[in-house]
Amino acid sequence: EPEVTQTPSHQVTQMGQEVILRCVPISNHLYFYWYRQILGQKVEFLVSFYNNEISEKSEIFDDQFSVERPDGSNFTLKIRSTKLEDSAMYFCASCRQGTYNEQFFGPGTRLTVL
Amino acid sequence: SQQGEEDPQALSIQEGENATMNCSYKTSINNLQWYRQNSGRGLVHLILIRSNEREKHSGRLRVTLDTSKKSSSLLITASRAADTASYFCARAPIDAGNNRKLIWGLGTSLAVNP
Repeated sequence: EPEVTQTPSHQVTQMGQEVILRCVPISNHLYFYWYRQILGQKVEFLVSFYNNEISEKSEIFDDQFSVERPDGSNFTLKIRSTKLEDSAMYFCASCRQGTYNEQFFGPGTRLTVL
Repeated sequence: SQQGEEDPQALSIQEGENATMNCSYKTSINNLQWYRQNSGRGLVHLILIRSNEREKHSGRLRVTLDTSKKSSSLLITASRAADTASYFCARAPIDAGNNRKLIWGLGTSLAVNP
């Protein structure tokens, strides 16, 4: 059964460093998402991506964040200069089409900023 | 706020018993999805219920939706120790367009004791 994959599973970085989180969505899906979950808190929407551009982003997704689909399979989230408060589990999700379709999530990348 | 609440926040039952978790929300939805998360792991999709549906079943899971009360419930029948996890409802707001970002609650932490 196809699934969303994410790498790495755990990333430790120093404050101020750039990180790139990688995701491979399910191959015939068209909509892609990043969410994050700070430990003990709600899952929060960051950004949605469709047709090679951002379709919506939350207020969390400031200029330090960017997303890219560099080829036909990968979907990346870049944080340019990490802050302590960026420590969280980051989930990638994909959806076959926008309406009425389930979002399938990857296993997440745990980002720890020291 | 579009975010709702799940209740109870924590539920502890014996194996074989039924578990009911509730979710309320504030604004109109296109659909509502239930997910499970084992401790520190990824989000597993369980059931999607559309706004024009009232009940859906999948194996031992039963989901109801009452749009007039803006609430949903997830029933797990004949629970097993392996059902121990956190359960989240995630709402797709009706004004989200085709992006269908999901809005999450804090979840219910279910413990099924052998």
